[in-house]
Amino acid sequence: EAGVVQSPRYKIIEKKQPVAFWCNPISGHNTLYWYRQNLGQGPELLIRYENEEAVDDSQLPKDRFSAERLKGVDSTLKIQPAELGDSAVYLCASRKSATNEKLFFGSGTQLSVL
Amino acid sequence: GNSVTQMEGPVTLSEEAFLTINCTYTATGYPSLFWYVQYPGEGLQLLLKATKADDKGSNKGFEATYRKETTSFHLEKGSVQVSDSAVYFCALSGQQAGTALIFGKGTTLSVSS
Repeated sequence: EAGVVQSPRYKIIEKKQPVAFWCNPISGHNTLYWYRQNLGQGPELLIRYENEEAVDDSQLPKDRFSAERLKGVDSTLKIQPAELGDSAVYLCASRKSATNEKLFFGSGTQLSVL
Repeated sequence: GNSVTQMEGPVTLSEEAFLTINCTYTATGYPSLFWYVQYPGEGLQLLLKATKADDKGSNKGFEATYRKETTSFHLEKGSVQVSDSAVYFCALSGQQAGTALIFGKGTTLSVSS
């Protein structure tokens, strides 16, 4: 069984440029999360989806961040424009349902904003 | 709000040494508690979990006991191996189904032979 797949693995951009991250969760997983992990810190939630609905986006900086999960499968997280402080690892995670505690993480996208 | 505090690293041990990584939490109600591990170049993996007070989670020789009276979930292993070198994260999940995990800052463990 394939795990949670994220791409790209690394991304280097200049500030003020846009950037997008893609996540393909495990097949059949309805719940999807995007986390941001700053250097030396634990992951922090950005947004949570139940199928195609964003049920918790309270931590998403909506002035520059956006996310979508069309058809309730793949998801894209976008930053426009990127700032220096956005440099971090962006993690995607999925689980079969909200009541299933087994959570699977992707390897993440490491973003460097110069 | 809910939060997790874990001991800062790095923790450096020799092979076969005893490991303890402290974790305490603040939460309302009865959260579930987890330890995740991140090996170099890999994604986060669930190491063990406990869902109610006095539960002991165990896996790969690691164990942790959910202590509600001390709001703690310390990770222990009796004899570490070089292959245990990784970053360990303590995390909690609130009672409501689907709530996101809240992580501690992580503790880096380095084991030398």
